[in-house]
Amino acid sequence: DAEITQSPRHKITETGRQVTLACHQTWNHNNMFWYRQDLGHGLRLIHYSYGVHDTNKGEVSDGYSVSRSNTEDLPLTLESAASSQTSVYFCASSESSSGGYTFGSGTRLTVV
Amino acid sequence: ELKVEQNPLFLSMQEGKNYTIYCNYSTTSDRLYWYRQDPGKSLESLFVLLSNGAVKQEGRLMASLDTKARLSTLHITAAVHDLSATYFCAVTPWNSGYSTLTFGKGTMLLVSP
Repeated sequence: DAEITQSPRHKITETGRQVTLACHQTWNHNNMFWYRQDLGHGLRLIHYSYGVHDTNKGEVSDGYSVSRSNTEDLPLTLESAASSQTSVYFCASSESSSGGYTFGSGTRLTVV
Repeated sequence: ELKVEQNPLFLSMQEGKNYTIYCNYSTTSDRLYWYRQDPGKSLESLFVLLSNGAVKQEGRLMASLDTKARLSTLHITAAVHDLSATYFCAVTPWNSGYSTLTFGKGTMLLVSP
């Protein structure tokens, strides 16, 4: 069965370190997204991609970057982790908006 | 800037009662999504509403969309404990190519005996 997987599920890192969160989907979807979820804010869009070599900034992109070298993967990199980036991160993919969006199981990141 | 507002943000219900969660949004769109999230879990798709007047039902949940009023409702009929979760609505604005989702802050539903 097709799926979307995120790794790691949990990570603790120190302030200032570079961190990369992985997202891999086997749906063959062109569109991939990264969201962060914080209490009181719902989910907010960080970056998104419509296809290979395409990346776009979302609402809260400062301090984050993504790259899309193939259809299946959209890794999210925190260039220099800050305590404000402690959050739960969700990756999602879709083929089209009429088909809905599939979410990964999330990565809980703690920056100490 | 697209804004999506849900209310209430917290809802405590008794089993067997009915209630409605409201989702208002600030820009033109005819695509709205409802998700359920259990504590510590991912988001589960409940409904995808793709046109004005769309109504969808699954079990004790029914969702509707009024694009002219920029309003969607999620109606709960005869609530049971298993419906306890956080419910999110999300909208794709027309000027994003119907691609990026903007979420409301969520409604935490607690159903008690």
